[in-house]
Amino acid sequence: DAGVTQSPTHLIKTRGQQVTLRCSPKSGHDTVSWYQQALGQGPQFIFQYYEEEERQRGNFPDRFSGHQFPNYSSELNVNALLLGDSALYLCASRDRDRAYEQYFGPGTRLTVT
Amino acid sequence: KQEVTQIPAALSVPEGENLVLNCSFTDSAIYNLQWFRQDPGKGLTSLLLIQSSQREQTSGRLNASLDKSSGRSTLYIAASQPGDSATYLCAAIPNAGGTSYGKLTFGQGTILTVHP
Repeated sequence: DAGVTQSPTHLIKTRGQQVTLRCSPKSGHDTVSWYQQALGQGPQFIFQYYEEEERQRGNFPDRFSGHQFPNYSSELNVNALLLGDSALYLCASRDRDRAYEQYFGPGTRLTVT
Repeated sequence: KQEVTQIPAALSVPEGENLVLNCSFTDSAIYNLQWFRQDPGKGLTSLLLIQSSQREQTSGRLNASLDKSSGRSTLYIAASQPGDSATYLCAAIPNAGGTSYGKLTFGQGTILTVHP
């Protein structure tokens, strides 16, 4: 049983560009959350998706958007990249009704130059 | 708004020592408290999950306690080993039914170094 997978592993972008990160949830999970972890900090909640809709959102600007597909996989899109967007982006999946069993992927390291 | 704080920010100990990591949270209306381990540049590995009805959880050399009334959790590591070196994060999970259900609020982590 594959766990949560994320792609790509690493990514380097230039300021002003756009980026798309991908996440496949653990088998049987229908809810996906995204977190941003800046260097030396704890992860910060970006947003959560289930039933292909954004259900909760953290304190992130509209430059951060997402999508969930019918197979429950998800994408995180960031437009007009800033240097401060450089971080590890983590995806977590769970069953909708079991918030205490969240599984994290290995993350995507984004570097903005 | 839930805020989670971890003390100390960093800890360096010789191999074999018993140690305690602290986590405090401002809103006691949590559903669960979870401890994670993170190796440099890697994702999160769940260590222990304490449900609101529990006071502690144990796994091997690890023991985590939860005191909701005081807004505190501790992670106790017995007989530390160099392989325990990592960042340890605690996260509060809010109660079901609220608008924040499923959203984890993390502390900033404690960087642990165990030297031989």
